[in-house]
Amino acid sequence: EVQLVESGGGLVQPGGSLRLTCAASGFTFSNYPMHWVRQAPGKGLEYVSGISYNGGAPYYGNSVKDRFIISRDNSKNMMYLQMGSLRAEDMALYYCVRESVLTFDIWGQGTMVTVSS
Amino acid sequence: QSALTQPPSASGSPGQSVTISCTGTSSDIGAYNFVSWYQQHPGKAPKLMIYEINKRPSGVSDRFSGSKSGNTAFLTVSGLQAEDETDYYCSSHAGSLHYVFGTGTKVTVL
Repeated sequence: EVQLVESGGGLVQPGGSLRLTCAASGFTFSNYPMHWVRQAPGKGLEYVSGISYNGGAPYYGNSVKDRFIISRDNSKNMMYLQMGSLRAEDMALYYCVRESVLTFDIWGQGTMVTVSS
Repeated sequence: QSALTQPPSASGSPGQSVTISCTGTSSDIGAYNFVSWYQQHPGKAPKLMIYEINKRPSGVSDRFSGSKSGNTAFLTVSGLQAEDETDYYCSSHAGSLHYVFGTGTKVTVL
């Protein structure tokens, strides 16, 4: 079964850091670009960041640029999102998403990040 | 990187059709034929319903269809059913690894 499982979310103070992890299974992870998409409580979907199949040329949305770093380890079928200088507006459910044919075909269930003092 | 514009709500009676618009720019929807639509039920992850403007993944009902004209894409849900009542989001490829989502539309079955 194709599956994406996020972890690493939790409560963090403003200005703090957190590392999210996405574990992939059921498909050849190294063949696919991967992305993070977030959804603040009661709000819509927001694109966060993406990384190519081999880890090159990452892309970041304007709201997280220079604060977040996306990476992947194809040997472990894992993707990561290192988040720094966290703000209240970063509080959201973070989804790990697989890209196929320039669409997001597989979504994880998400991991919640809460930013609060 | 502005969000694509969708109407906040749309509605229709059971059996009728509802069409949702998704307006972008010449840098996203107008530039690429890679528009997707996602359905999201409360508390659930989004589900891909339409990709490449009008293609359906395996298992998605043919009551869902998509189209595009210029900088605007459309999702039509025909033969509305109670289970269709939920939120829908469009997205568009916007170059390289860049994607942009729509603001979301809540569909109500009257």
